[in-house]
Amino acid sequence: IAGITQAPTSQILAAGRRMTLRCTQDMRHNAMYWYRQDLGLGLRLIHYSNTAGTTGKGEVPDGYSVSRANTDDFPLTLASAVPSQTSVYFCASSSSGGAGDEQFFGPGTRLTVL
Amino acid sequence: GQNIDQPTEMTATEGAIVQINCTYQTSGFNGLFWYQQHAGEAPTFLSYNVLDGLEEKGRFSSFLSRSKGYSYLLLKELQMKDSASYLCAVRDGDYKLSFGAGTTVTVRA
Repeated sequence: IAGITQAPTSQILAAGRRMTLRCTQDMRHNAMYWYRQDLGLGLRLIHYSNTAGTTGKGEVPDGYSVSRANTDDFPLTLASAVPSQTSVYFCASSSSGGAGDEQFFGPGTRLTVL
Repeated sequence: GQNIDQPTEMTATEGAIVQINCTYQTSGFNGLFWYQQHAGEAPTFLSYNVLDGLEEKGRFSSFLSRSKGYSYLLLKELQMKDSASYLCAVRDGDYKLSFGAGTTVTVRA
């Protein structure tokens, strides 16, 4: 693999179900991020991790949790999905999270909660 | 919270120039990024400005004025493949990236 991969590509989920979106990067980047993208609202940060073993809350963290057990993987879990979590989810990574670091984005997961 | 404003849509003709403006009010400032996003795809990095002035990269240039909270992305010699959304993003004092809603540029023949 090269860059960032996300799985699944798309998913239709019943409300109340638990769902984990997977994200893996092979660039040995320290910082990783989860965003959701909704029409007219742009990308909004859900959770982030500056290094393995640490995580932090972004702008819209409610209903989501993350873990960062190692450098490469950063899964996002919806404990009990609700229709308002219907969105496109992007995982991203950057070398160190410093000022000039560009973020590299995965291909996204399109999630529909019914 | 952060406030980043950019126009929703712009239309231009192939071969022309288009300027996408972005104004921001954020808690601290550690740089401004422009990303390009084609429909159904991931955003990709275009440019980064942290000091005032113009950064040129081929057909694309980005300008920053920190005192005015203002940036623009200039796309020259427009091509059909430039039809995409352009996202302005500001890295705040906590080093988090906040994005504007994006500007959809349509290039017409």
